[in-house]
Order: sequence, then C-alpha cells, then structure tokens
Amino acid sequence: AQSVTQLGSHVSVSEGALVLLRCNYSSSVPPYLFWYVQYPNQGLQLLLKYTTGATLVKGINGFEAEFKKSETSFHLTKPSAHMSDAAEYFCAVGSGYSTLTFGKGTMLLVSP
Amino acid sequence: DVKVTQSSRYLVKRTGEKVFLECVQDMDHENMFWYRQDPGLGLRLIYFSYDVKMKEKGDIPEGYSVSREKKERFSLILESASTNQTSMYLCASYQGVRRAFFGQGTRLTVV
Repeated sequence: AQSVTQLGSHVSVSEGALVLLRCNYSSSVPPYLFWYVQYPNQGLQLLLKYTTGATLVKGINGFEAEFKKSETSFHLTKPSAHMSDAAEYFCAVGSGYSTLTFGKGTMLLVSP
Repeated sequence: DVKVTQSSRYLVKRTGEKVFLECVQDMDHENMFWYRQDPGLGLRLIYFSYDVKMKEKGDIPEGYSVSREKKERFSLILESASTNQTSMYLCASYQGVRRAFFGQGTRLTVV
C-alpha cells in the first residue's frame, strides 16, 4: 500500500523568496517519488523524480527535492520564487510497475 | 514527441446521458489509466488497464466503466452521468511509473 500527504493546500510566498512544498509518503516497498506541476487549464508536467541513486534530485525550472528515507519525506524547494512558478504542485509515489498515487496538491501563490 | 491525446478539452452533458471520454496514446504502452481530479482531493484513480481487453478497478470506480479494444485507445464511460461526476478527467499512459505521460485533461460538466 502507498499514500502521499502534502502539508498545506495553499502556500504563499513573495517573489524572490524560498519555496518549500512539503510531501511525506508511505510505501511498503522502496518508493519512486515524483513532483508534478499543473498550470491553469493544463495537464500534468513532470518537475522531477527520484528512483534510485542520489537522494538530492534536480528538476526543471530550478526546483529540487531531497529524498529522506528516515523521515519518509520528499520536500520540494526552489531558492527564489518567480511569478511564473504560480501553479498547483502534486507529489506522487509509485514503485516499479505499480500505479501512481498522488497527494491532494498544493497551490503555490506568488506575490510581487 | 510522445503524446497522450484526450478527445475533448471541455464537455457539457445532461444528467442521465451516457458519456464517453476517449484517450489515445502513441507510445505503444501496455498500461493506461484514468484519473479524476477535484479541488482539494488531488488525483484519484478510477480505472486502469494492463493490456487490451483487461481492466482493473482503481480507488473510485463506482459509476464508471472502461473499454480497451485496442492497445492505443482507452475509453472511460459514464453510463448515466450525474452532477457529482462533474470534474476534470486525466488520462495517463506509462510502461512503468518512472515515465508517465498525461493528457491535457477533459473538463466535464454535468447539468
């Protein structure tokens, strides 16, 4: 069984500030972890993923995430927010050929 | 460029109608999925298929059925649409979760 918890349905930051979106997971097997972004009226776009190897993963648009097994976490960060980062972000967990299980999403709001 | 194509971006249907949502992928993937997306609930798996004519229930299959007659096409069927099925529907195709591809979504409104 697998599940994802995203803390905070909405996160507000100022432009230039640090972005931190939290994700904790539960999985009975070694997980693959993902962050997806969805812009208004668009489908899902993969930001980054952890499968094996290095626990700090870099993705597109300056985002990165760190897999911490001891904390069962995969938080998403970006050092400096940009207005164009405003979107909804989904954390997801899967393994091998299982299905993907998604969190409830976090809406990132960026103010000037 | 790999693609998952959903036949409609927006649909408006009446209560009680039979509704078909179509999804086509061009990657020769065996696995296809239908998710429903609602505010505050994230994406929830409705049905998936591991092969032609194969189907498996996801987390919320009630009120839905699916059809997979060809490898590239996976249809979601609402036998009798209800207002609580108003939602965004996303189709996905993947051969393993590491490389999942999503369609643009179909926003269905049932009136």
